[in-house]
Amino acid sequence: DAKTTQPPSMDCAEGRAANLPCNHSTISGNEYVYWYRQIHSQGPQYIIHGLKNNETNEMASLIITEDRKSSTLILPHATLRDTAVYYCIVRVADFLLYNNNDMRFGAGTRLTVKP
Amino acid sequence: DAGVIQSPRHEVTEMGQEVTLRCKPISGHDYLFWYRQTMMRGLELLIYFNNNVPIDDSGMPEDRFSAKMPNASFSTLKIQPSEPRDSAVYFCASSLPLAGASSTDTQYFGPGTRLTVL
Repeated sequence: DAKTTQPPSMDCAEGRAANLPCNHSTISGNEYVYWYRQIHSQGPQYIIHGLKNNETNEMASLIITEDRKSSTLILPHATLRDTAVYYCIVRVADFLLYNNNDMRFGAGTRLTVKP
Repeated sequence: DAGVIQSPRHEVTEMGQEVTLRCKPISGHDYLFWYRQTMMRGLELLIYFNNNVPIDDSGMPEDRFSAKMPNASFSTLKIQPSEPRDSAVYFCASSLPLAGASSTDTQYFGPGTRLTVL
């Protein structure tokens, strides 16, 4: 069973905020929400992660609902270079519990930033 | 830092041939991961190492696949014999060890090796 659900595609105008949703209704208390992106022909790139508090870094902001069943990745001023597939992953932060299913990225959301 | 380095970037081979993919992780990273990405199955974790020791190889599809990490700065993924269904992009990633209960890992991916088996 998929641990996360994301829309298959989204469009965003250049310079506007891109809000990418992710549902993870079965998330456990010890699981973090991670976001990666993959630009065409490149390896996945880490963006941000969080447990329950909202997080912000130089790339993006992560908003996690109070019940932790969903989250939103926000790119505040999208550029054409942000066009990529964005993956939302939930997993424990403990390698002793690591397993293959935790790192199955799934289909992600294909974000297209348009001029 | 040069990031995770993978070679070759592209590999085209014929069915039945042996294929060896190489990876150099980021210096100081104790964890190394091998992934495979296809259109049908997305990105899948094949195997990962901690301090050069294989920890979980449950994602390795079959015995034709093997991975080694002889030292902290080098790992190989070998397919012998290769088959057309092995065609995919193979990624290597590395991360730092967990520093405590409240820390988490972040994986840094290499550029990938695009393998085509004819």
